Amino acid sequence: DGGITQSPKYLFRKEGQNVTLSCEQNLNHDAMYWYRQDPGQGLRLIYYSQIVNDFQKGDIAEGYSVSREKKESFPLTVTSAQKNPTAFYLCASGQGDPYEQYFGPGTRLTVT
Amino acid sequence: QKEVEQNSGPLSVPEGAIASLNCTYSDRGSQSFFWYRQYSGKSPELIMSIYSNGDKEDGRFTAQLNKASQYVSLLIRDSQPSDSATYLCAGTSGYSSASKIIFGSGTRLSIRP
Repeated sequence: DGGITQSPKYLFRKEGQNVTLSCEQNLNHDAMYWYRQDPGQGLRLIYYSQIVNDFQKGDIAEGYSVSREKKESFPLTVTSAQKNPTAFYLCASGQGDPYEQYFGPGTRLTVT
Repeated sequence: QKEVEQNSGPLSVPEGAIASLNCTYSDRGSQSFFWYRQYSGKSPELIMSIYSNGDKEDGRFTAQLNKASQYVSLLIRDSQPSDSATYLCAGTSGYSSASKIIFGSGTRLSIRP
């Protein structure tokens, strides 16, 4: 089956710890994205990558880091510098014009 | 700041009626627009894409685009309880960074029996 997988579905961490969220796609899409969604809010772009070994900051990149070593994988690290990390994190991938994006199931991160 | 604006709702529509969801955008360079459906606690699902002025129909869904007025809408005919969800409008971010999409904050739709 083609699709986007994110793991884990739920993640709990203590303040001060870095945590890495996984995102894998087998759709052969060039572009991958990370968004954050807070309750009752829209999606805010954290980072995106249009090609392997290259990525760009989105609107709220501070406190986050990414890598794109393989076309299929785009992990997101939430660092201890992120002041309010508790949120629903969504990974998406897309291909070509008009750049439709398809989402994974999401990871709900809770930091206490 | 490029924006996509939606009324947050909730929009309550009786079962079987037409639900009309609206969206405006500020970036005249936006070329493509998308409607996503998001059930509570789930990730967004792409339901419609539209790139040209006019209407595009897919089953019970019709997307409408008016680039002169910078206006996008989604009509849902014969509304069903399963249509109750938050609908996100999104548009590409201008010409030069076409792989980015700007999302609205969503309209919550409730279909009442």
